[in-house]
Amino acid sequence: QIQLQESGPGLVKPSQTLSLTCTVSGGSLISGAYYWSWIRQPPGKGLEWIGDIYDSGTISYNPALMSRVTISVDTSKTQFSLRLSSVTAADTAVYYCARDGGIASDYYYGIGVWGQGTTVTVSS
Amino acid sequence: EIVLTQSPATLSLSPGERATLSCRASQSVSSYLAWYQQRPGQAPRLLIYDAINRASGIPARFTGSGFGTDFTLTISSLEPEDFAVYYCQQRTNWLTFGGGTKVEIK
Repeated sequence: QIQLQESGPGLVKPSQTLSLTCTVSGGSLISGAYYWSWIRQPPGKGLEWIGDIYDSGTISYNPALMSRVTISVDTSKTQFSLRLSSVTAADTAVYYCARDGGIASDYYYGIGVWGQGTTVTVSS
Repeated sequence: EIVLTQSPATLSLSPGERATLSCRASQSVSSYLAWYQQRPGQAPRLLIYDAINRASGIPARFTGSGFGTDFTLTISSLEPEDFAVYYCQQRTNWLTFGGGTKVEIK
Protein backbone atom coordinates (compact mmCIF):
# COMPACT_ATOMS: atom_id res chain seq x y z
CA GLN A 1 0.00 0.00 0.00
CA ILE A 2 1.46 3.29 -1.09
CA GLN A 3 2.38 5.82 1.60
CA LEU A 4 3.63 9.38 1.40
CA GLN A 5 5.76 11.17 3.99
CA GLU A 6 6.67 14.85 4.01
CA SER A 7 9.95 16.04 5.46
CA GLY A 8 11.75 19.34 5.85
CA PRO A 9 12.36 22.22 8.24
CA GLY A 10 9.49 23.22 10.49
CA LEU A 11 10.67 26.82 10.77
CA VAL A 12 11.70 29.12 7.94
CA LYS A 13 12.71 32.78 8.20
CA PRO A 14 10.86 35.43 6.20
CA SER A 15 12.27 36.03 2.69
CA GLN A 16 14.00 32.65 2.68
CA THR A 17 13.11 29.54 0.67
CA LEU A 18 10.91 26.76 2.03
CA SER A 19 12.03 23.31 0.90
CA LEU A 20 10.08 20.11 1.46
CA THR A 21 10.45 16.56 0.21
CA CYS A 22 7.83 13.86 -0.16
CA THR A 23 9.06 10.28 0.01
CA VAL A 24 6.94 7.62 -1.67
CA SER A 25 6.97 4.12 -0.22
CA GLY A 26 5.10 1.04 -1.37
CA GLY A 27 4.85 2.39 -4.89
CA SER A 28 6.65 4.21 -7.65
CA LEU A 29 6.58 7.73 -9.03
CA ILE A 30 6.86 6.39 -12.55
CA SER A 31 4.11 3.76 -12.48
CA GLY A 32 0.72 4.94 -13.64
CA ALA A 33 -0.48 8.31 -14.81
CA TYR A 34 -0.86 10.12 -11.51
CA TYR A 35 -0.59 13.71 -10.38
CA TRP A 36 1.91 14.06 -7.54
CA SER A 37 0.67 17.13 -5.72
CA TRP A 38 1.50 19.64 -3.04
CA ILE A 39 -1.40 21.12 -1.08
CA ARG A 40 -1.30 23.39 1.95
CA GLN A 41 -3.65 24.49 4.71
CA PRO A 42 -3.04 27.66 6.75
CA PRO A 43 -4.04 27.42 10.42
CA GLY A 44 -7.82 27.34 10.75
CA LYS A 45 -8.37 27.74 7.02
CA GLY A 46 -9.17 25.63 3.97
CA LEU A 47 -7.10 23.69 1.49
CA GLU A 48 -5.02 25.34 -1.23
CA TRP A 49 -3.47 23.52 -4.18
CA ILE A 50 0.14 24.57 -4.75
CA GLY A 51 0.98 22.53 -7.82
CA ASP A 52 1.71 19.10 -9.17
CA ILE A 53 3.76 17.00 -11.50
CA TYR A 54 1.95 14.62 -13.81
CA ASP A 55 3.29 11.28 -14.95
CA SER A 56 6.81 12.39 -13.97
CA GLY A 57 6.80 15.07 -16.62
CA THR A 58 4.22 17.85 -16.92
CA ILE A 59 4.31 20.38 -14.10
CA SER A 60 1.46 22.75 -13.19
CA TYR A 61 1.38 25.50 -10.60
CA ASN A 62 -1.31 27.51 -8.87
CA PRO A 63 -1.24 30.83 -10.76
CA ALA A 64 -1.28 32.71 -7.47
CA LEU A 65 2.00 31.06 -6.42
CA MET A 66 3.60 30.35 -9.78
CA SER A 67 6.30 33.00 -9.53
CA ARG A 68 7.65 31.49 -6.29
CA VAL A 69 7.11 27.74 -6.66
CA THR A 70 9.23 24.94 -8.06
CA ILE A 71 8.21 21.29 -8.01
CA SER A 72 10.64 18.61 -9.06
CA VAL A 73 10.84 14.83 -9.01
CA ASP A 74 13.64 12.38 -8.40
CA THR A 75 12.30 9.09 -9.67
CA SER A 76 15.41 7.18 -8.69
CA LYS A 77 14.86 8.15 -5.08
CA THR A 78 11.06 7.94 -5.27
CA GLN A 79 10.84 11.48 -4.00
CA PHE A 80 9.31 14.69 -5.21
CA SER A 81 10.04 18.11 -3.82
CA LEU A 82 8.64 21.58 -3.27
CA ARG A 83 10.53 24.84 -3.13
CA LEU A 84 8.72 28.07 -2.27
CA SER A 85 10.83 31.20 -2.35
CA SER A 86 10.50 34.59 -0.65
CA VAL A 87 8.25 33.25 2.07
CA THR A 88 6.19 35.43 4.39
CA ALA A 89 4.00 34.74 7.41
CA ALA A 90 1.14 34.05 4.98
CA ASP A 91 2.98 30.89 3.90
CA THR A 92 2.67 29.42 7.39
CA ALA A 93 0.64 26.24 6.93
CA VAL A 94 0.43 22.49 7.10
CA TYR A 95 1.91 21.23 3.84
CA TYR A 96 0.64 17.97 2.38
CA CYS A 97 1.97 15.86 -0.44
CA ALA A 98 -0.62 13.73 -2.16
CA ARG A 99 -1.34 11.46 -5.09
CA ASP A 100 -4.18 12.45 -7.36
CA GLY A 101 -5.65 9.69 -9.51
CA GLY A 102 -6.44 12.16 -12.28
CA ILE A 103 -8.89 11.70 -15.11
CA ALA A 104 -9.00 8.39 -16.97
CA SER A 105 -11.75 6.84 -19.10
CA ASP A 106 -13.82 9.97 -18.36
CA TYR A 107 -13.68 9.39 -14.59
CA TYR A 108 -11.99 11.70 -12.11
CA TYR A 109 -10.49 9.50 -9.41
CA GLY A 110 -9.72 12.14 -6.78
CA ILE A 111 -6.86 12.50 -4.33
CA GLY A 112 -6.84 9.11 -2.74
CA VAL A 113 -3.46 9.15 -1.01
CA TRP A 114 -2.27 11.87 1.35
CA GLY A 115 0.77 12.31 3.51
CA GLN A 116 0.20 13.09 7.16
CA GLY A 117 1.23 16.71 6.60
CA THR A 118 4.08 18.76 7.98
CA THR A 119 3.72 22.10 9.73
CA VAL A 120 5.89 24.93 8.43
CA THR A 121 6.03 28.19 10.35
CA VAL A 122 7.49 31.32 8.80
CA SER A 123 8.94 33.47 11.54
CA SER A 124 12.14 35.27 12.40
CA GLU B 1 -9.94 29.66 -12.32
CA ILE B 2 -13.02 27.67 -11.34
CA VAL B 3 -14.39 28.79 -7.97
CA LEU B 4 -16.21 26.26 -5.81
CA THR B 5 -18.67 27.71 -3.31
CA GLN B 6 -19.79 25.45 -0.47
CA SER B 7 -22.86 26.02 1.65
CA PRO B 8 -23.68 26.26 4.40
CA ALA B 9 -20.41 27.17 6.09
CA THR B 10 -21.58 25.40 9.23
CA LEU B 11 -24.26 22.76 9.71
CA SER B 12 -25.44 22.06 13.25
CA LEU B 13 -27.11 18.67 13.53
CA SER B 14 -27.65 15.83 15.96
CA PRO B 15 -26.44 12.24 15.55
CA GLY B 16 -28.91 10.29 13.45
CA GLU B 17 -30.00 13.31 11.44
CA ARG B 18 -29.52 13.76 7.71
CA ALA B 19 -26.87 16.17 6.45
CA THR B 20 -27.06 17.85 3.05
CA LEU B 21 -23.98 19.75 1.87
CA SER B 22 -23.87 21.84 -1.29
CA CYS B 23 -21.04 22.69 -3.67
CA ARG B 24 -21.56 25.06 -6.59
CA ALA B 25 -19.01 25.62 -9.35
CA SER B 26 -18.54 28.94 -11.17
CA GLN B 27 -18.54 27.02 -14.46
CA SER B 28 -19.18 23.44 -15.46
CA VAL B 29 -16.78 20.84 -14.11
CA SER B 30 -18.69 17.98 -15.73
CA SER B 31 -18.47 15.11 -13.23
CA TYR B 32 -14.86 15.84 -12.28
CA LEU B 33 -15.60 16.58 -8.66
CA ALA B 34 -14.53 14.91 -5.43
CA TRP B 35 -15.53 15.21 -1.78
CA TYR B 36 -13.25 14.91 1.24
CA GLN B 37 -13.71 14.62 4.98
CA GLN B 38 -11.19 16.19 7.33
CA ARG B 39 -11.16 15.51 11.04
CA PRO B 40 -9.15 17.75 13.40
CA GLY B 41 -5.42 17.13 13.17
CA GLN B 42 -5.79 14.70 10.27
CA ALA B 43 -5.19 14.81 6.54
CA PRO B 44 -8.27 14.92 4.32
CA ARG B 45 -9.80 11.60 3.34
CA LEU B 46 -11.36 10.92 -0.06
CA LEU B 47 -15.07 10.12 0.25
CA ILE B 48 -16.53 10.54 -3.23
CA TYR B 49 -14.86 10.65 -6.64
CA ASP B 50 -16.25 11.62 -10.02
CA ALA B 51 -19.22 13.22 -8.26
CA ILE B 52 -21.13 10.06 -7.38
CA ASN B 53 -18.74 7.20 -6.64
CA ARG B 54 -17.85 6.20 -3.09
CA ALA B 55 -14.15 5.63 -2.50
CA SER B 56 -12.95 2.33 -1.11
CA GLY B 57 -14.08 1.69 2.45
CA ILE B 58 -16.52 4.61 2.60
CA PRO B 59 -19.83 3.72 4.26
CA ALA B 60 -23.01 3.68 2.22
CA ARG B 61 -24.50 6.52 4.26
CA PHE B 62 -22.36 8.89 2.20
CA THR B 63 -23.89 9.74 -1.18
CA GLY B 64 -22.71 12.15 -3.84
CA SER B 65 -24.88 13.60 -6.57
CA GLY B 66 -24.83 16.30 -9.22
CA PHE B 67 -23.24 17.21 -12.54
CA GLY B 68 -22.03 20.36 -14.20
CA THR B 69 -22.19 23.17 -11.64
CA ASP B 70 -24.32 21.88 -8.76
CA PHE B 71 -23.29 19.05 -6.47
CA THR B 72 -24.51 17.61 -3.19
CA LEU B 73 -23.00 15.39 -0.53
CA THR B 74 -25.61 13.68 1.62
CA ILE B 75 -24.95 11.84 4.86
CA SER B 76 -28.12 9.86 5.49
CA SER B 77 -27.78 9.39 9.25
CA LEU B 78 -24.95 11.09 11.08
CA GLU B 79 -22.64 8.96 13.17
CA PRO B 80 -20.46 10.54 15.90
CA GLU B 81 -17.36 10.18 13.71
CA ASP B 82 -18.99 12.13 10.86
CA PHE B 83 -18.75 15.47 12.67
CA ALA B 84 -15.92 17.03 10.71
CA VAL B 85 -15.17 19.47 7.89
CA TYR B 86 -16.06 18.52 4.32
CA TYR B 87 -14.47 19.90 1.16
CA CYS B 88 -15.38 19.61 -2.49
CA GLN B 89 -12.65 19.79 -5.14
CA GLN B 90 -12.49 19.92 -8.94
CA ARG B 91 -9.87 18.88 -11.45
CA THR B 92 -11.35 20.23 -14.70
CA ASN B 93 -9.30 23.40 -14.79
CA TRP B 94 -6.18 23.06 -12.67
CA LEU B 95 -7.31 22.07 -9.19
CA THR B 96 -9.38 24.04 -6.71
CA PHE B 97 -11.13 23.33 -3.42
CA GLY B 98 -14.29 24.74 -1.95
CA GLY B 99 -14.09 26.65 1.30
CA GLY B 100 -15.48 23.78 3.34
CA THR B 101 -18.58 22.97 5.39
CA LYS B 102 -18.20 22.19 9.06
CA VAL B 103 -20.69 19.65 10.37
CA GLU B 104 -20.93 20.20 14.10
CA ILE B 105 -22.91 18.60 16.89
CA LYS B 106 -26.04 20.51 17.79
